[in-house]
Amino acid sequence: GAGVSQSPSNKVTEKGKDVELRCDPISGHTALYWYRQSLGQGLEFLIYFQGNSAPDKSGLPSDRFSAERTGGSVSTLTIQRTQQEDSAVYLCASSWPSDGVIHDTQYFGPGTRLTVL
Amino acid sequence: AQKITQTQPGMFVQEKEAVTLDCTYDTSDPSYGLFWYKQPSSGEMIFLIYQGSYDQQNATEGRYSLNFQKARKSANLVISASQLGDSAMYFCAMRAMDSNYQLIWGAGTKLIIKP
Repeated sequence: GAGVSQSPSNKVTEKGKDVELRCDPISGHTALYWYRQSLGQGLEFLIYFQGNSAPDKSGLPSDRFSAERTGGSVSTLTIQRTQQEDSAVYLCASSWPSDGVIHDTQYFGPGTRLTVL
Repeated sequence: AQKITQTQPGMFVQEKEAVTLDCTYDTSDPSYGLFWYKQPSSGEMIFLIYQGSYDQQNATEGRYSLNFQKARKSANLVISASQLGDSAMYFCAMRAMDSNYQLIWGAGTKLIIKP
């Protein structure tokens, strides 16, 4: 079946503008994750959705970042008043409905490369 | 605190040779899982292999195997008969019981396969 898809693949914006990044998880996956990866770095956890539970927003770096997940499927990550330090690749991942299971494997999308000028 | 360490920022390996990518971890939880992902230049994270802390045997998936040494807290990835397409960043990650759903990531190793 189709994998995780993300759009746009690339986004260039001016400092101070708002951006929306979209993630479409694998069908049937109820868990969805957003990560940020700066150039040459590992992954930084941002936010986690599991089914209808309240999302874990503990990784969001500031209140300029928010995310929602409509209908338990598609998710949108919004960054308001973008700053140059927001430039990074934003990766989305989804997994099977196995809340808290150690071996739960996350499957990633291709990412959105955000450049803030 | 849980931590993943990948000590090799970069590696060059001749095509067809085997390569070992190092990963050490730190957790006090008896139950945990270790993951390896590959990230080619296209940017997508590709799941390679998983090892559970209670698994009796080392995990294998095709040309990938995991050299799991629990007492040393190491989970090295071994790629046999390397191919040019193996050139990529490789990340080791861990999930432990008290981190629930969160994966703890290493900094990655950049592997370049030479023809």
